[in-house]
Amino acid sequence: AQKITQTQPGMFVQEKEAVTLDCTYDTSDPSYGLFWYKQPSSGEMIFLIYQGSYDQQNATEGRYSLNFQKARKSANLVISASQLGDSAMYFCAMREGRQAGTALIFGKGTTLSVSS
Amino acid sequence: NAGVTQTPKFQVLKTGQSMTLQCAQDMNHEYMSWYRQDPGMGLRLIHYSVGAGITDQGEVPNGYNVSRSTTEDFPLRLLSAAPSQTSVYFCASSEEPTGELFFGEGSRLTVL
Repeated sequence: AQKITQTQPGMFVQEKEAVTLDCTYDTSDPSYGLFWYKQPSSGEMIFLIYQGSYDQQNATEGRYSLNFQKARKSANLVISASQLGDSAMYFCAMREGRQAGTALIFGKGTTLSVSS
Repeated sequence: NAGVTQTPKFQVLKTGQSMTLQCAQDMNHEYMSWYRQDPGMGLRLIHYSVGAGITDQGEVPNGYNVSRSTTEDFPLRLLSAAPSQTSVYFCASSEEPTGELFFGEGSRLTVL
């Protein structure tokens, strides 16, 4: 079974609208971390946001917020007020366990296209 | 700030040739890893290291070797390149306490 599932291969949104990118995860470890990365067409991987499994509040970073629903094992990324520069591939990833030195498991990604 | 540096950025190999992808980080991170990215597959872990002298296999290790003689460097070796190894390769190091990965710019490898 996949550990990280991103069910939306592609999403389309207009500028200034909000968009939600879905991510569900599967783990039996009570301690884990969830990440979102952005990959623009230039290819680099850009860290966006992190949520720990014990964090009480949803993580936010500027226009990015993580809608963390632990019981549903979902960690959706919400981008408010989309911009043309948000057009990119977005990856959800998970670290199982407490230690930072544990591999991240990535989903297959969602391509976001923002139009004017 | 250099961060994670990968070389080369592009490489074309013939089947059977060997090569090494270099990776260096200047952030004193203990954990380093190599991923490959293929269309529709996301990023898959090849090998990782939790410190100098310690390496382990990830999800797709076959055909690749690694070593970690220093904290800074984590080279990935292709012993006998195959067309199935055509991919984009990313080296990454991670930071306490979250495990956030810091990525290199990627290396695009084509095996003919």
